[in-house]
Amino acid sequence: GESVGLHLPTLSVQEGDNSIINCAYSNSASDYFIWYKQESGKGPQFIIDIRSNMDKRQGQRVTVLLNKTVKHLSLQIAATQPGDSAVYFCAENGGSTLGRLYFGRGTQLTVWP
Amino acid sequence: GAVVSQHPSWVICKSGTSVKIECRSLDFQATTMFWYRQFPKQSLMLMATSNEGSKATYEQGVEKDKFLINHASLTLSTLTVTSAHPEDSSFYICSAKTGGGEAFFGQGTRLTVV
Repeated sequence: GESVGLHLPTLSVQEGDNSIINCAYSNSASDYFIWYKQESGKGPQFIIDIRSNMDKRQGQRVTVLLNKTVKHLSLQIAATQPGDSAVYFCAENGGSTLGRLYFGRGTQLTVWP
Repeated sequence: GAVVSQHPSWVICKSGTSVKIECRSLDFQATTMFWYRQFPKQSLMLMATSNEGSKATYEQGVEKDKFLINHASLTLSTLTVTSAHPEDSSFYICSAKTGGGEAFFGQGTRLTVV
């Protein structure tokens, strides 16, 4: 499989602060990246995606940044809320157009009130 | 977004028996579905790609005779864990790919082999 990793396994933030979750990937052929949120006992939930022809994409309260030079992407969550507490995974396609995804290790985000 | 449903949500089975897990795309047709496995506190690991009407493509290291995949229709893929053993206990998750290329995940199936 592909190698996708995360720098921080856990992240604790105060409610209202901004959160930044990082991810490194190793396959230079990857051209599609997704961030997922997974709550305990549930399947992954799509947050935001980005293709390799972009370096930034914004959604509602979330921003994904892609640095292809160093094979790094990050997820920024603005005004983090307790409901954002979950495990966050980055995933990349390894260059495949078939829909296969290879997931990183995951970061546990805990938001304190 | 599109809805993918897995059944059952959880199952407990005796060692040596086989267990079937269903993955359905409820409001779209999926020619391709994917099966993942997730151990506690770990990431999702892609097991296989399920193709409607043809054989599944397994990732390296995944035993195809152990994990039987059938994608008989455009809305249903099944994963059968054969002769289950305690080490097969895990969270199994499927995803289905829409025509637009986006993959939606099911809610997962917790398998416990005793």
